Amino acid sequence: DSQMTQSPSSVSASVGDTVTITCRASQDINSWLAWYQQKPGKAPKLLIYAASSLQSGVPSRFSGSGSGTDFTLTISSLQPEDFATYYCQRANTFPFTFGPGTRVDIK
Amino acid sequence: QVQLQESGPGIVKPSETLSLTCTVSGGSVGSGSYYWSWIRQPPGKGLEWVGYVYSSGSTNYNPSLKSRVTISADTSKNQFSLKLTSVIAADTAVYYCARDGHGYDSWGQGTLVTVSS
Repeated sequence: DSQMTQSPSSVSASVGDTVTITCRASQDINSWLAWYQQKPGKAPKLLIYAASSLQSGVPSRFSGSGSGTDFTLTISSLQPEDFATYYCQRANTFPFTFGPGTRVDIK
Repeated sequence: QVQLQESGPGIVKPSETLSLTCTVSGGSVGSGSYYWSWIRQPPGKGLEWVGYVYSSGSTNYNPSLKSRVTISADTSKNQFSLKLTSVIAADTAVYYCARDGHGYDSWGQGTLVTVSS
């Protein structure tokens, strides 16, 4: 199985900051990676698929990049509604493992 | 706009079978190139992929659960279901059903299932 790691595990930031979250796969997964945002008590929400494709309706301040084993999610100009936990997920071979999550909270 | 809704018991006794149903509206479980999936999240923890049933009826499961899990679809009711046998306390989680096209783009609200006697 390709295991997924994320860093940092948590980050404190202010409104207007740029936040970058890193996801690393233990094996090459090409561009088969998605990013999700989850708020407490809610289902996750798809932000990015295929490593860099923005899901319809997601603000353009969210962007994804990377391929192979190293990926990043960047949130530019952080907004109050962006404070949440973010998960990466590989989608090339089964099982479709999720990363452990990165919590973004208010500084 | 596709919508998904989980239903089933909120409490299951240890060693018994957990059974959940996901009712889909605004889309069809028997057509299109979608993987109709189950994902779970233990309280306070991360997400775990459980498995899927494809629109053709084929299935795939997480190896960590494979011997205990069955996912099936009922196209006449536009539903798909999860059965997890011989449950233990570690199976306590919020269970989500979701549609996978390019990523999980539609989710149910989730249902908490507690394994307890």
